[in-house]
Amino acid sequence: AQTVTQSQPEMSVQEAETVTLSCTYDTSENNYYLFWYKQPPSRQMILVIRQEAYKQQNATENRFSVNFQKAAKSFSLKISDSQLGDTAMYFCAFMKSGANSKLTFGKGITLSVRP
Amino acid sequence: EADIYQTPRYLVIGTGKKITLECSQTMGHDKMYWYQQDPGMELHLIHYSYGVNSTEKGDLSSESTVSRIRTEHFPLTLESARPSHTSQYLCASSESVGKPSQDTQYFGPGTRLTVL
Repeated sequence: AQTVTQSQPEMSVQEAETVTLSCTYDTSENNYYLFWYKQPPSRQMILVIRQEAYKQQNATENRFSVNFQKAAKSFSLKISDSQLGDTAMYFCAFMKSGANSKLTFGKGITLSVRP
Repeated sequence: EADIYQTPRYLVIGTGKKITLECSQTMGHDKMYWYQQDPGMELHLIHYSYGVNSTEKGDLSSESTVSRIRTEHFPLTLESARPSHTSQYLCASSESVGKPSQDTQYFGPGTRLTVL
């Protein structure tokens, strides 16, 4: 079974600063996907970024980037130039490759961006 | 944002009532999911479906039931609501195998259920 660990329950960052959210996972699979989802207060969960394990290059989406360390089973999210709208709960998630696989979520981290 | 809808968004109901939480998507996705999320906590998969007439129980045991008669519709029913059912329920969907982004789940806005 896979596990996803987000050890920091909450973090705070000043607007325009950079923040890194940590995530580690445990799996015996070699082919899988990793995700970061964002859930703003009382709003819809949306996908922030995804990474295929077979790709060595770290995924990037505008101000969001990941540091994927496959050997260390680490998948951190870096948010650059933090904005007030980044305030949300962030979930790291794992899915093994293959038909009918399911997502395994971490407990989430609450990020607050201070003005 | 993805085209996946949930109604009602908020529901306050008394113990013993039967309720149905609606979820529909217009993306033609084969796979659909129900998650339970307590405030400030992780998501737990309670039901999923890989197509019409296919439903499975998830990792977290739930007294709710689901049906999948149409591709776009995946309602969740509680026959007799209890205070322990108070939670947020999130519906999600994803593409079938072989389609681009088959691994990405798109979430609805959620239904916050309170049972008094």
